[in-house]
Amino acid sequence: QKEVEQNSGPLSVPEGAIASLNCTYSDRGSQSFFWYRQYSGKSPELIMFIYSNGDKEDGRFTAQLNKASQYVSLLIRDSQPSDSATYLCAVEGSGTYKYIFGTGTRLKVLA
Amino acid sequence: SQTIHQWPATLVQPVGSPLSLECTVEGTSNPNLYWYRQAAGRGLQLLFYSVGIGQISSEVPQNLSASRPQDRQFILSSKKLLLSDSGFYLCAWSDQGARGYTFGSGTRLTVV
Repeated sequence: QKEVEQNSGPLSVPEGAIASLNCTYSDRGSQSFFWYRQYSGKSPELIMFIYSNGDKEDGRFTAQLNKASQYVSLLIRDSQPSDSATYLCAVEGSGTYKYIFGTGTRLKVLA
Repeated sequence: SQTIHQWPATLVQPVGSPLSLECTVEGTSNPNLYWYRQAAGRGLQLLFYSVGIGQISSEVPQNLSASRPQDRQFILSSKKLLLSDSGFYLCAWSDQGARGYTFGSGTRLTVV
């Protein structure tokens, strides 16, 4: 059973701080990794994807991938109350079109 | 640009009744299409996916079925709903390059 693990939270950070969200996965052959944001009652929206080891930055968001450790993370700099949501990590199963999702980490940014 | 439409937004159905949820994608051709379910407080569970017309793969044995009658149309059905079918149903699409799914707005189904 291929798995994606996330701490459910809530992770509480003060406004302006860096939020760090973590995800581990079991399928060593996975090549594609995604972060989604889901506001309460809404559908998930894609915010980042990463394929290569290292860091990928997009505005206030940085995705980090370490395939050797099977670990992917998302950093949110200068966190805002509007960033309060559940963040879902998704991993594409090796050789498939299917994503396996973690259960998500709930982030609360305190004003 | 590509858009995905999913309806209805909410649905309350009695146990034993049929179900039909529809999803359409605009602005692309030959998309990969997916149905996911998210139960309250739980993660996203892949139910079905399709890489082409008439090609349906089922991930979870249950009383649901899916069909893809047209290239950009994906339908989720049930002949008789169970209480356990309640949840948030999400349709998604991706292109062959797999740069992330785009989800529809979802259908919140409550079986009573």
